Amino acid sequence: GAGVSQSPSNKVTEKGKDVELRCDPISGHTALYWYRQSLGQGLEFLIYFQGNSAPDKSGLPSDRFSAERTGGSVSTLTIQRTQQEDSAVYLCASSPHSGTGEYEQYFGPGTRLTVT
Amino acid sequence: SQKIEQNSEALNIQEGKTATLTCNYTNYSPAYLQWYRQDPGRGPVFLLLIRENEKEKRKERLKVTFDTTLKQSLFHITASQPADSATYLCALGNQAGTALIFGKGTTLSVSS
Repeated sequence: GAGVSQSPSNKVTEKGKDVELRCDPISGHTALYWYRQSLGQGLEFLIYFQGNSAPDKSGLPSDRFSAERTGGSVSTLTIQRTQQEDSAVYLCASSPHSGTGEYEQYFGPGTRLTVT
Repeated sequence: SQKIEQNSEALNIQEGKTATLTCNYTNYSPAYLQWYRQDPGRGPVFLLLIRENEKEKRKERLKVTFDTTLKQSLFHITASQPADSATYLCALGNQAGTALIFGKGTTLSVSS
C-alpha cells in the first residue's frame, strides 16, 4: 500500500518568505508527527497530532512555526518569515496507534528546505 | 530531561563480521525502545522494538538487547553485508507519550 508522502521534496526559499510543507499519512493512521533533521543532527520533534485531541506543540521552536491537520488526515506545516537556521529536512511520520514508543512510526521521504 | 546517546558516530567493519551499535539513555525509564535504519536522502525505516521486560529480540540477522539496569541497548547485525551500510538510530518514547526522542545515529560502513 501507499506509504507516507510529503511534498514538495525540495524547497528553496528566500529569507523572510513563508513556506508550507505537506504530509499525507498512511490511510487510517490516527497519529501524525513532524520532525526536523538538521545536517549532522538527530531528529528533533516538532508537533504531534492524535485523532481529534489537541496537538502537542511543545517541540515547535518558535511562533513562526505552526501546523494543522485537516479531517484527521493531511497535515500542513507552515513556517512564516523563514530564517537561514530553518534550513533542514522536515520529516513527517504516522502511526496506526497512539502511545508513542509502543508502536512503530512510518516516515515519509522528507522535504529538504533551503533558506537562502 | 531525557537524553539518548549513541556513542559512535561512525563504525567501519569488514563484510561477514558482526556490527555492534550502542545506545545509552539517561533521566528516564522507558517501557519501549526502538531501532530505525536511515539511508541517505530517505526517511527512517523501523527495524525492531523491544519492551522493558524483554532482554533480547531477534529478527533475521538483527538482534537487540535492552538492559534497564545499565540503561543501555545494544544492536547487533551478524554476518554483515555492504547493503547493511546506513545510519542506525535508536529512539525512545518521551514521557508525555507524544513523540519519539532519537539519538543522533551511528553510521555503519561495511566493506567487502
